[in-house]
Amino acid sequence: AQSVTQLGSHVSVSEGALVLLRCNYSSSVPPYLFWYVQYPNQGLQLLLKYTTGATLVKGINGFEAEFKKSETSFHLTKPSAHMSDAAEYFCAVSGGYSTLTFGKGTMLLVSP
Amino acid sequence: DAGVIQSPRHEVTEMGQEVTLRCKPISGHNSLFWYRQTMMRGLELLIYFNNNVPIDDSGMPEDRFSAKMPNASFSTLKIQPSEPRDSAVYFCASTPPEQDTQYFGPGTRLTVL
Repeated sequence: AQSVTQLGSHVSVSEGALVLLRCNYSSSVPPYLFWYVQYPNQGLQLLLKYTTGATLVKGINGFEAEFKKSETSFHLTKPSAHMSDAAEYFCAVSGGYSTLTFGKGTMLLVSP
Repeated sequence: DAGVIQSPRHEVTEMGQEVTLRCKPISGHNSLFWYRQTMMRGLELLIYFNNNVPIDDSGMPEDRFSAKMPNASFSTLKIQPSEPRDSAVYFCASTPPEQDTQYFGPGTRLTVL
């Protein structure tokens, strides 16, 4: 069975500050890990994913995430926040048969 | 390329009425997923299909909910009768063969009065 825990339902940063959104997972098999972003009144959009190979994964809009097996973590970072990054972010783990188990989501708030 | 298409985008209905939500997956994708999103429960997987066959419907909340996929390019999610607690945003997503990445539609916002 798979599960995902996202620490913090809301994260607030100032424009230009570092963004760090935390995700820990549990999986009985080698995981595939995903980050999705949801802008208001829209569907979820893939930011990045880890399958195998390099543990530092780069995605769209300057985001990246690092798979750390020993910590069962897949935290999402961006060096400098932009107002347009304000959205809800979901971490997910693959459970086989293409199914994904999603975390509860973290709302990122960016202030000027 | 067109993404996942859902209709209607918004639906307002009265308790007891039948509601049908529609989804057209991306051409060539062979898995389709229906999700429900609420503030209280987050994103819940209701049912998914592989090659038009329902694989897991354990997330369907009760017998009032049913889903069909008559062909590779169309799926419906039906609620009969609808209740106010069914108010939510319903998403459809599809995946290409042999891949895990899900592509989401824009969602249908359902309000049951």
